[in-house]
Formats: sequence, structure tokens, C-alpha cells
Amino acid sequence: GAVVSQHPSRVICKSGTSVKIECRSLDFQATTMFWYRQFPKQSLMLMATSNEGSKATYEQGVEKDKFLINHASLTLSTLTVTSAHPEDSSFYICSARDPGTDTEAFFGQGTRLTVV
Amino acid sequence: GQNIDQPTEMTATEGAIVQINCTYQTSGFNGLFWYQQHAGEAPTFLSYNVLDGLEEKGRFSSFLSRSKGYSYLLLKELQMKDSASYLCAVMDSNYQLIWGAGTKLIIKP
Repeated sequence: GAVVSQHPSRVICKSGTSVKIECRSLDFQATTMFWYRQFPKQSLMLMATSNEGSKATYEQGVEKDKFLINHASLTLSTLTVTSAHPEDSSFYICSARDPGTDTEAFFGQGTRLTVV
Repeated sequence: GQNIDQPTEMTATEGAIVQINCTYQTSGFNGLFWYQQHAGEAPTFLSYNVLDGLEEKGRFSSFLSRSKGYSYLLLKELQMKDSASYLCAVMDSNYQLIWGAGTKLIIKP
């Protein structure tokens, strides 16, 4: 099946710094990717939909200037958490739309972000 | 509003069978997904149902009734490694996934 690779798997950063998370589709071209965050013992929360070559669509309550999303190619989307704060500590997960079936079924491995 | 309901937690015995239910109310329907998520890991895809009926895949089966807004995931011959959270998600008319809160499945020896 399709593979989505996310990097890094874990990152610890200081408060006020920025962190970039990469999401790559390895064996298919993903015109759309999705970014989620998940707090402990809670379900996935969609943050934004990333569309190749255009601006991302952010969910209500998600600060687009804080969570910068770039989808410059059909195989790569990046999420940059700018000026990170401890409350941004979370599990961030990307997923890519399967172009063959037009369904969303493949997730990256996730990134555990800890802001100290 | 859109809503996905599934039990918060279930316990079952190794070797047994367990059924995890999911009911939904969404704006449109373009399929229902089940995912497995181990603690600290990303979800992994288990099944996709868009038509009524039962889909079987090894030890796991998924059932859908669109008229009832209902699905279940059936796990047979339970193994300890099946201890995980199971997430139900529905794709709405905008092809966005609406997620349930997940069911934590605890397997006991």
C-alpha cells in the first residue's frame, strides 16, 4: 500500500524557537495532505488541509501564522510550528490522500513535539 | 452537527471475539474507516466500508448499515498485540474525515 513518511519522529525544542515537520508520500503523488494534532487520550484533531501549489485551508481556531504549512511539491508537505510554547507540545500526524481511491487512508508515523 | 459515537473502553480475553460499535450522524457519507492506534504511534488503516454489508479481512471484519448510521469492527481470535485504541471515522460530503474519540481495547490473558 501507499507509504507516507514523516520526520522527525521526536523533537524537543526550547520555547520561542521554530520546528519544521516534514511529510512525504513515498510511492504516490499526493495533491492533498492533512495535518492533525492529538493530545493524550484524545482523538485526532484536524488542523489544516494542505493543497499542492496553493494555500492551506485551516480549521477554525488554528492560527495560520503560527502553524505554517507549505506543500510545494506533490510528494512533500511541511508544517512549521513557529515561536513554539509548551502548550504546543503534542503529537502531530500527517496523512495523504490516496489518489487511486480518493480516500484518506495513509498516515505518517507522527511527530512527538515537546517544547521546554 | 456531525457526531461519531463509540464506546470509550472495552475489555476482552485473549482468544475471544470482540465487537466495537460506531454510530454516526454526518453531513453526507462517502465511506467509513476503522483505524488501529497503539499508544504513542500514528493510526494504521484497518478497513473501509462504503456499501452496506460485511467486509472480512483476516481476523478483522467491518460491517456497515448506512440506513442505521451504524458500523462495527469485529476482532476474532484476540491476541495481546490487539490491545490498542480503535478509531472510527466517517468521510463526509466534503471528503473530510470526521473522527470518533476512539475505543481503548484492553486484552487480558
